[in-house]
Amino acid sequence: DIQLTQSPSSLSASVGDTVTITCRASRTISDYLNWYQHTPGKAPKLLIYAASNLQRGVPSRFSGSRSGTDFTLTISTLQPEDFATYYCQQSYSSPRTFGQGIMVQI
Amino acid sequence: QVQLQESGPGLVKPSQTLSLTCTVSGGSITSGGYYWTWIRQHPGKGLEWIGYIHYSGSAYYSSSLKSRVAMSVDTSENQFSLKLESVTAADTAVYYCARDYYDSSGYYRIDNWGQGTLVTVSS
Repeated sequence: DIQLTQSPSSLSASVGDTVTITCRASRTISDYLNWYQHTPGKAPKLLIYAASNLQRGVPSRFSGSRSGTDFTLTISTLQPEDFATYYCQQSYSSPRTFGQGIMVQI
Repeated sequence: QVQLQESGPGLVKPSQTLSLTCTVSGGSITSGGYYWTWIRQHPGKGLEWIGYIHYSGSAYYSSSLKSRVAMSVDTSENQFSLKLESVTAADTAVYYCARDYYDSSGYYRIDNWGQGTLVTVSS
């Protein structure tokens, strides 16, 4: 199975900050990497697919990039509603796998 | 607008079988380009992919759960289901059904989720 490791282990930020979350794959997955936002009590929400494609309806302050097996989610100008847990997920092969998640806290 | 809704018992006894159903509304489960997926989240933990099934019946399961998991599709009811055998307290989790969409470029993503249902395993 492909392992995904997210960093940092925790993240504290303020409204207006720019935050960056990294996801490293245990082997090459090309750009088959998605990012999700999960707020307690709600269904997870797709933000970015295929490493850098913004899902329809998602604000443009969210962006994704790839360098080899390292993937980055950047949130520019953090808004109050962005405080949530963020997961990466690989869709290169089955079984699909998620990263462990990173909570962005105030 | 396609919506997914989980249903099933919220309490299951240890050693019994957990059974959940996901009803798809606003679209057909036989529409091309989708794998119908189950994901769970243990209390205070991250997301765990359980498996997916295509409307044709082909399925793929998590390595750690495949000996206990079975998924099925009922196209007449526009539903898909999850069965997890021999449950223990470690199977207590919020279970989500979801839609994994694959496009013409071959990229997959989970673009639609149910609200999730808490299943507690306890005697």
